[in-house]
Amino acid sequence: DTAVSQTPKYLVTQMGNDKSIKCEQNLGHDTMYWYKQDSKKFLKIMFSYNNKELIINETVPNRFSPKSPDKAHLNLHINSLELGDSAVYFCASSQDLVSNQPQHFGDGTRLSIL
Amino acid sequence: DAKTTQPNSMESNEEEPVHLPCNHSTISGTDYIHWYRQLPSQGPEYVIHGLTSNVNNRMASLAIAEDRKSSTLILHRATLRDAAVYYCILRGVYNQGGKLIFGQGTELSVKP
Repeated sequence: DTAVSQTPKYLVTQMGNDKSIKCEQNLGHDTMYWYKQDSKKFLKIMFSYNNKELIINETVPNRFSPKSPDKAHLNLHINSLELGDSAVYFCASSQDLVSNQPQHFGDGTRLSIL
Repeated sequence: DAKTTQPNSMESNEEEPVHLPCNHSTISGTDYIHWYRQLPSQGPEYVIHGLTSNVNNRMASLAIAEDRKSSTLILHRATLRDAAVYYCILRGVYNQGGKLIFGQGTELSVKP
């Protein structure tokens, strides 16, 4: 059973398009995250959600809109895609915000903008 | 957020122990030391964490200096599958938003 699953695994699209990435966790966790890993392999937090509420928006352009329909899902919609959005996007989850329980990551969605 | 410093890369031979160092001289009293690793083409994977005492689990051991300004992740017998980027991350108990702050990490290569 995959704990954190993301779809699609690969996404190739043209500049200016709108696309979505879906994430689901079956761990019963309260907190979910989106991270971005750029071409230099640098991993950076984008958003965190706790019980469907936005907690962190780490100065991400408002073209990126996360949506959490329930605790088990955190989707990422991106409008007007730009070349600089090309990256690997990782979804993660943890038990809650304050414990030191580990974060569990999905395998990533590789987004390529042509 | 307190910063960590790790070597960019390390090499090991298969079936030998590996000691991955991490310096965190500005660590605060409530910061936990977490280690994650990222295998090629995969998401980061939790390895181990600790506060003051040394910790062991099935994957690795974590040795924490008495002054907590440094720590060492120990892989007891490296396998080819352990080749990955290893990240040492400080995480405060009251870390706002639960985020992990990744540095550059140490790229570990394992030779057969």
